[in-house]
Amino acid sequence: SYELTQPPSVSVSPGQTASITCSGDELGDKYASWYQQKPGQSPVLVIYQDSERPSGIPERFSGSNSGNTATLTISGTQAMDEADYYCQAWDSSTAVFGGGTKLTVL
Amino acid sequence: EVQLVESGGGLVQPGGSLRLSCVASGFTFRDHYMDWVRQAPGKGLEWVGRTRNKVNSYTTQYAASVKGRFTISRDDSKNSLYLQMNSLKTEDTAVYYCARVSLAGAREFDYWGQGTLVTVSS
Repeated sequence: SYELTQPPSVSVSPGQTASITCSGDELGDKYASWYQQKPGQSPVLVIYQDSERPSGIPERFSGSNSGNTATLTISGTQAMDEADYYCQAWDSSTAVFGGGTKLTVL
Repeated sequence: EVQLVESGGGLVQPGGSLRLSCVASGFTFRDHYMDWVRQAPGKGLEWVGRTRNKVNSYTTQYAASVKGRFTISRDDSKNSLYLQMNSLKTEDTAVYYCARVSLAGAREFDYWGQGTLVTVSS
């Protein structure tokens, strides 16, 4: 079965750029989405179709996808961005999520 | 405002059954595919399955882990999505979210409910 691999944790200082990767076989040939989940809350879509931002998502969130890796980039990271982030793609008519990355802003 | 409200969670014994509901508002429910996604306590997200819309014959798809045990259905007249769970196992313990699938490419989940907790335990 298809797997998406994310680092368990990423740390960033406030105002700096955070990058969260998601690796999967030929992931660049698929569309990747990213979700933010804060403690006790439901996931929120922050990036879809590799690099598109839904309305209401700050411009500091961006995405890219090439080769075997999709990347979520948060520029000028703020304390409110501290959360778990999940990548997601489709393979063989099945939605697959990465294991999640805990972003710590310190 | 798009709203998805799940209900029906609770404690059930292994081998038992449970039916979850999700009531939608704020959008044209019948146009969208709708999915269920679950999250075990302290774990990541896991896709459960999907029901397509009437145009696509309400066809369904399931994750391998639940295929043959879970059934997804919908009632467009009631703006409602359902998840019938049979032969429940302890590993089915999770918060179950209903999620709206975007119209654009049907690949991403653009709105999520608040979730309902299902606990399978003796």
